[in-house]
Amino acid sequence: LAKTTQPISMDSYEGQEVNITCSHNNIATNDYITWYQQFPSQGPRFIIQGYKTKVTNEVASLFIPADRKSSTLSLPRVSLSDTAVYYCLVGDHVAGGGADGLTFGKGTHLIIQP
Amino acid sequence: DSGVTQTPKHLITATGQRVTLRCSPRSGDLSVYWYQQSLDQGLQFLIQYYNGEERAKGNILERFSAQQFPDLHSELNLSSLELGDSALYFCASSPGTGQGEKLFFGSGTQLSVL
Repeated sequence: LAKTTQPISMDSYEGQEVNITCSHNNIATNDYITWYQQFPSQGPRFIIQGYKTKVTNEVASLFIPADRKSSTLSLPRVSLSDTAVYYCLVGDHVAGGGADGLTFGKGTHLIIQP
Repeated sequence: DSGVTQTPKHLITATGQRVTLRCSPRSGDLSVYWYQQSLDQGLQFLIQYYNGEERAKGNILERFSAQQFPDLHSELNLSSLELGDSALYFCASSPGTGQGEKLFFGSGTQLSVL
């Protein structure tokens, strides 16, 4: 059973900032929050990972509040090529971490329009 | 290129048959994961191996089995195939040595059962 809840779909326009929120009320102390991007017929690709507060890389930012019960993936100035499914995964991924932390769920289908 | 190699890329077979999907993880990665993705489903976690041993089990059918060999490559065996087994099967790998690991996915094997 996935430990996360995300919106099924979202849409936005080129050049806008897009925020996708993931709820994970039962996050455990050792769990990390990882976001993946998937294009049709391709394997998911790592975007960003965090444990608490804010993480930023060249692609996105990840905001995690103090209670860690949710997280928000922020994509700045999206383009048409950002149209994809985005998955939030919560788990420790250590050998023995269990199936729940490896279950992706349905993800958020993001559609970017011109 | 994620460094994870899956073969074959496409496989077409008939109901009742048995097939084997192969996965070579990234160099040095000890953990291998198998996922199934059908048209109307998200990524379904099947099973994880760590250094040759089963570590986590998801929604894997009894007709399916997997193993990880001493050279760390893995095989997913699907038997008594049914039409509903048609899907994209992804393999992923990770170092398997710590918390918060990122999964690196292969490009998948598209299985069509006719």
